[in-house]
Amino acid sequence: AQRVTQPEKLLSVFKGAPVELKCNYSYSGSPELFWYVQYSRQRLQLLLRHISRESIKGFTADLNKGETSFHLKKPFAQEEDSAMYYCALKGPYNTDKLIFGTGTRLQVFP
Amino acid sequence: DSGVTQTPKHLITATGQRVTLRCSPRSGDLSVYWYQQSLDQGLQFLIQYYNGEERAKGNILERFSAQQFPDLHSELNLSSLELGDSALYFCASSVGGADSPLHFGNGTRLTVT
Repeated sequence: AQRVTQPEKLLSVFKGAPVELKCNYSYSGSPELFWYVQYSRQRLQLLLRHISRESIKGFTADLNKGETSFHLKKPFAQEEDSAMYYCALKGPYNTDKLIFGTGTRLQVFP
Repeated sequence: DSGVTQTPKHLITATGQRVTLRCSPRSGDLSVYWYQQSLDQGLQFLIQYYNGEERAKGNILERFSAQQFPDLHSELNLSSLELGDSALYFCASSVGGADSPLHFGNGTRLTVT
């Protein structure tokens, strides 16, 4: 069965510290993975997707098929990074549904 | 704002009642998705429509139903409401296709008393 696991409900760091938000997935095919973010009082929005291999707001995420992981990383956290982060896995090819993890709240203290 | 619009923002109703949540997708988006977010739960996929047709179904209860109309707006109907149905219901839309990202609305907060 397809599943996304985010083991940490809350991650607290100080400004300038490295951040790693963990995401593990379960999927029998070739996965398509995404990170979505929800800032306070804003809509849930796409942060990045693994096929783009891009860095958005200093965040990167590498797909590790061997470990079935897609951890989100940033070398130096900023206060404005404080938000709720969701890892998501796209469903079977004939659907576009996203399966979300339970989310991790990132708090960056000054 | 040409983004995803959900109405109402808040809804308070009693057990046993029936409610309808409405979603207008972004202009040009053909796919509409419904998600439920309960306390301490992630976003649970309910159902997806593409250009008026049901495309995928998740853990949607039989008491719940949805449809997408010719103008592409969608409605989620929740009936015989229970206390446990209290949640934030999100609608999202996308152009459709493997790479298209989902664009979310602000959600409808349903409280069943």
